Order: sequence, then C-alpha cells, then structure tokens
Amino acid sequence: GAGVSQSPRYKVAKRGQDVALRCDPISGHVSLFWYQQALGQGPEFLTYFQNEAQLDKSGLPSDRFFAERPEGSVSTLKIQRTQQEDSAVYLCASSIGQGLIEAFFGQGTRLTVV
Amino acid sequence: AQKITQTQPGMFVQEKEAVTLDCTYDTSDQSYGLFWYKQPSSGEMIFLIYQGSYDEQNATEGRYSLNFQKARKSANLVISASQLGDSAMYFCAMREQNTGGFKTIFGAGTRLFVKA
Repeated sequence: GAGVSQSPRYKVAKRGQDVALRCDPISGHVSLFWYQQALGQGPEFLTYFQNEAQLDKSGLPSDRFFAERPEGSVSTLKIQRTQQEDSAVYLCASSIGQGLIEAFFGQGTRLTVV
Repeated sequence: AQKITQTQPGMFVQEKEAVTLDCTYDTSDQSYGLFWYKQPSSGEMIFLIYQGSYDEQNATEGRYSLNFQKARKSANLVISASQLGDSAMYFCAMREQNTGGFKTIFGAGTRLFVKA
C-alpha cells in the first residue's frame, strides 16, 4: 500500500494477556517510530528504528514493552502481561531517511485492556 | 519543563475565515525541526507542514502556513479559508538534532471547530 499500515485497528485484551501490534511502513522508508497516545493527549515517543537497528528505546515505559524490526521493514510492538494503564492508541510512523524530516503515520491500533 | 506548549485547548472559527493555532517550544539546540500534524476523529496523524530551524522563510503548504518567530521560539500554524473538514485536533511537534533528530516531542494539541 501507499501509506503506513497498522494491524489490528482495535484490540481488546484481558489484563495479563500478551499482545502484538504490527506496523507495515511505507516501502523503502529507513526510519520507523512507535508512539503511545493516551486519550486526550499528544503522542509520546516509545522507540525508534533505523532499518533493523533499534537506536532509541528510551520511551518504552517498562520491560514489558518490546519492539523489533528484524528485516528492516515490518515492525512489531509486543506488550507482555498487559495492564489497564497500557490502554491507549499505539501509532507507528515512518520516514524516508533520518534526521529532521517529516514522518508519516499509520491509523494506529487502539488497545483496550479490561 | 514543557518542550512544546499549545495554550489553546479548543478554538472556534467561522467557515472561510483564517485561524491561528499557537505553539511555543523550548530547546537549547541550534538545529531542530518543527512540525504540525492534523488528527481527525478517525485517528490518523496527517502531516501538514515542516519548518527547519535554519529556514529563513516561513513554510507554506497550500492553505497552511507556519509563522516562525525564532527569537520568540514560536511556530504558529495559520489556516486560511477554513473549511468544515478542517475540524480536528492539531498537534505541534519538534525534533532536535542533538537527540539524533528522531525523538519527536508533541504538544497537548488544540481542537479546532469550524462553524458553518
């Protein structure tokens, strides 16, 4: 597709369940970002990949959060033992290069932990 | 301290009029980029406009322009000739070169309502 694609669009998880969120960036985009957006707030940075290398994971809120991009294209954000405070929209973005250029976002995955 | 401040939680504008959405930022870096994104109720973040810290001219993209005042550290978004479809959340964001240029920091957003 032409844009960033995320799946699933919606996910309901029981507390304690593990979830995996997928991001398909725009083809050829080197940079990939994950953000967490709580209701009524701006997105918060989670992690950044340049190709397959995870260069920054300083925004991951706990060691229950794990992201990977093994072949430098598709990325997966995994949350283990989900908790209610993990409920949010998880946004993925990609950009063609690195540095101070625009990034293009997917539609997000809305995670609700019950 | 807040890196990106958007002081207007909500704004109303009449259709076909212009509106300015405020954004101030805080950085000690000389090289940074400023972005505006639109987020309609469907949830996707739509890139609108970019201003680099070394750009001398204000960025423009169609009906969007960025009023960049570097000394005041402000990067206000101006939307001309508002349309009903402009009703959405608008986020100002910044990336700093000294953090690798990839850690985007977003403001809290401004919700714009366009009245017919």
